[in-house]
Amino acid sequence: DVKVTQSSRYLVKRTGEKVFLECVQDMDHENMFWYRQDPGLGLRLIYFSYDVKMKEKGDIPEGYSVSREKKERFSLILESASTNQTSMYLCASSSSGLGKNIQYFGAGTRLSVL
Amino acid sequence: GNSVTQMEGPVTLSEEAFLTINCTYTATGYPSLFWYVQYPGEGLQLLLKATKADDKGSNKGFEATYRKETTSFHLEKGSVQVSDSAVYFCARLTGNQFYFGTGTSLTVIP
Repeated sequence: DVKVTQSSRYLVKRTGEKVFLECVQDMDHENMFWYRQDPGLGLRLIYFSYDVKMKEKGDIPEGYSVSREKKERFSLILESASTNQTSMYLCASSSSGLGKNIQYFGAGTRLSVL
Repeated sequence: GNSVTQMEGPVTLSEEAFLTINCTYTATGYPSLFWYVQYPGEGLQLLLKATKADDKGSNKGFEATYRKETTSFHLEKGSVQVSDSAVYFCARLTGNQFYFGTGTSLTVIP
């Protein structure tokens, strides 16, 4: 089975802290994604990556950055956390192969910024 | 533009009732369409998909048919169970990027 693992299920941070959310997948997928999920807004794409060291902005990249130094790991960074970044964060991965582009999700990290 | 619109929730049904969750999309070309399900405390899981017009995706008693003429992909189940209580997301894929609907929460009561 494909496994996408997010390092923390729950995090509590203070305003202004630097926050790292880690995601690892074990299926050699080329593509990795970070979303945030908020009530009434569904999933919104923050950043995605098609390959190592490559990154693309999604719909709401402001206040976030990402790092993809290894194929299996995709990190989301909040340089200076703010209360409006309190949310559920979901990581996903997919293969680029034809017909294999189903996204597989991690269990999510619920981040609270106080 | 490209978007996915799905039925507002929450939806509450009695066990064995019929379920329909509406989903329509706008897109250029012919996207692949998906339904994902999120059980409480978990991430999203693929429920079913369809990649071309008139395809029917099915899984766990759920079905959805890709209707190009109405740009729809409604989710149906003939007899829901308590264990179907979850949030359901419609999504379309264009290129390598997914676009998700806002989710519909379903609660099934015994």
